Amino acid sequence: NAGVTQTPKFQVLKTGQSMTLQCAQDMNHEYMSWYRQDPGMGLRLIHYSVGAGITDQGEVPNGYNVSRSTTEDFPLRLLSAAPSQTSVYFCASSYADISYEQYFGPGTRLTVT
Amino acid sequence: GENVEQHPSTLSVQEGDSAVIKCTHSDSASNYFPWYKQELGKGPQLIIDIRSNVGEKKDQRIAVTLNKTAKHFSLHITETQPEDSAVYFCAAQEGGNTNAGKSTFGDGTTLTVKP
Repeated sequence: NAGVTQTPKFQVLKTGQSMTLQCAQDMNHEYMSWYRQDPGMGLRLIHYSVGAGITDQGEVPNGYNVSRSTTEDFPLRLLSAAPSQTSVYFCASSYADISYEQYFGPGTRLTVT
Repeated sequence: GENVEQHPSTLSVQEGDSAVIKCTHSDSASNYFPWYKQELGKGPQLIIDIRSNVGEKKDQRIAVTLNKTAKHFSLHITETQPEDSAVYFCAAQEGGNTNAGKSTFGDGTTLTVKP
């Protein structure tokens, strides 16, 4: 299994541009989440999904959209990039059972100028 | 909502010594407490977790303790090795399947093990 994959690994955007960060998992996990990690801070939840067709907001959802059309994919869209969105973005997935363990992807480092 | 505080932010120990990282959470509804290790340039990886019905859990050189009443939980690493050098995060999560993907993280502890 490839686990959780994220593309691209690095991205530079100009203020106002839009883009989609891709996330895919091949473990048939029901739950998927997007976190952002800023220097000196822990991970903060942006959006999450408990299954295909179901998404909800996390702690810091403003400026981001998600959709979950399949179990495998959970893309994160930046509608109009702002310098405050410069961060490292991690996607995670987990089973919908008692284990709760989250499996994280390698991250996407995004810089908005 | 849940708030997790983690201390210290940096920790330096000599190889072979023990390392202790402490966290406090605020929401009594949280009942799952994972610890993640993040190596440079990689995503976090679960190293140990504990649920609120257990006071202590051990896995080789790593142990986690939980004081449910005081809302404190700690990570203990014994006989540290240079490869233990990384950033460690504690997290708290409310129980139930609808909360499975929703962890609240501490700010992290950068552990350096000096050979």
